[in-house]
Amino acid sequence: AQTVTQSQPEMSVQEAETVTLSCTYDTSENNYYLFWYKQPPSRQMILVIRQEAYKQQNATENRFSVNFQKAAKSFSLKISDSQLGDTAMYFCAFMKLNNNDMRFGAGTRLTVKP
Amino acid sequence: NAGVTQTPKFQVLKTGQSMTLQCAQDMNHNSMYWYRQDPGMGLRLIYYSASEGTTDKGEVPNGYNVSRLNKREFSLRLESAAPSQTSVYFCASSPASSGKETQYFGPGTRLLVL
Repeated sequence: AQTVTQSQPEMSVQEAETVTLSCTYDTSENNYYLFWYKQPPSRQMILVIRQEAYKQQNATENRFSVNFQKAAKSFSLKISDSQLGDTAMYFCAFMKLNNNDMRFGAGTRLTVKP
Repeated sequence: NAGVTQTPKFQVLKTGQSMTLQCAQDMNHNSMYWYRQDPGMGLRLIYYSASEGTTDKGEVPNGYNVSRLNKREFSLRLESAAPSQTSVYFCASSPASSGKETQYFGPGTRLLVL
């Protein structure tokens, strides 16, 4: 079974600074998808960024980028120029190719301080 | 375009009572999902439906049943609620049947079983 580990239960960062959230996963699959979801206090789950394992290039979405290290099974999220609205729980998730079973990590609570 | 909607937003049940959580999406998506989120844990998949007329078990299906009523609607039923089912329930949908596409989440239903 696939497992996803987020080793940082809580983190904080000053507004405008950069922060990196860690995620590791365990799988024997070669092709799969990785995701970062954001859950603000409203509880709505919002997709931040998605990475396909067969793509070597790291995904980026505006201020959000990932460092995907396939051999190390690591998928960290970097948030640049942090904003107060980035305060939320962040979940890393894994999904096998052609499969509907998405596995989530326990989450990292990020607080952006003014 | 409302996306994914869930009803009710909050529900209190007594042990042994039954109830159905409703979910609907207006994006013409093929796949729909039910997750539960417990404190300190990521989301866990209960059941999913890859297409109208099909349903499959996820990671934690015991104590639940589902119905894919049509392409828009996917309901989750608790036949005899237990305190261990106290949780926040999220419905999600995605365009593809294989699950490879991004999942869009509803706002969640908070369920308390006494």
